[in-house]
Amino acid sequence: EVQLLESGGGLVQPGGSLRVSCAASGFIFSSYAMSWVRQAPGRGLEWVSTISGSVGYTYYADSVKGRFTISRDNSKNTLYLQMNSLRAEDTAVYYCATDTVGLQFFDYWGQGTLVTVSS
Amino acid sequence: DIQMTQSPSSLSASVGDRVTITCRASQDISNSLAWYQQKPGKAPKLLLYAASRLQSGVPSRFSGGGSGTDYTLTISSLQPEDFATYYCQQYFITPPYTFGQGTKLEI
Repeated sequence: EVQLLESGGGLVQPGGSLRVSCAASGFIFSSYAMSWVRQAPGRGLEWVSTISGSVGYTYYADSVKGRFTISRDNSKNTLYLQMNSLRAEDTAVYYCATDTVGLQFFDYWGQGTLVTVSS
Repeated sequence: DIQMTQSPSSLSASVGDRVTITCRASQDISNSLAWYQQKPGKAPKLLLYAASRLQSGVPSRFSGGGSGTDYTLTISSLQPEDFATYYCQQYFITPPYTFGQGTKLEI
């Protein structure tokens, strides 16, 4: 059974940094792209970033480019999102998601971790 | 970037009704479209991909159609558990992958 478990969310001040993680199990982690998708309170879904499987190509939404860094540790089956220079508008539930079909839609999602940027 | 426009933004319906939600892309996305269902406080759930392919375990009352820039999600006979918010997502070629703004289906 595929499982994705996010952790690391919390309250951070504007301009601060935070790293969220996603522990994966139930599939060959290194073979598949992984992504972060966020949802601000009461708002819709926003794709944030994707990292490819073994090679590790990375892609970012314009709204986070230069501030966020996606990475993965295939030996630990874990995905990360390092978030720097955080802004109030980054406040959201951050979901990790995977695509085990290879077409870049998201067939498995974690339960999400809440990041709140506020002073 | 490809923009996705969903309509309606909200919809009231009754158990047993047939409902259709529309998603329009700003350019041809060649059926690279997925539909998700999200219930309050929960992660989204994949319903369909490639515009019309049903994800394993999803009831057959859900169906998808369309081509080019215009796509639809149809629920043939609403069940109580179907009241939720629905999102389309395009995944044509390369990122950014964009979502529609959502359609809230209410009783």
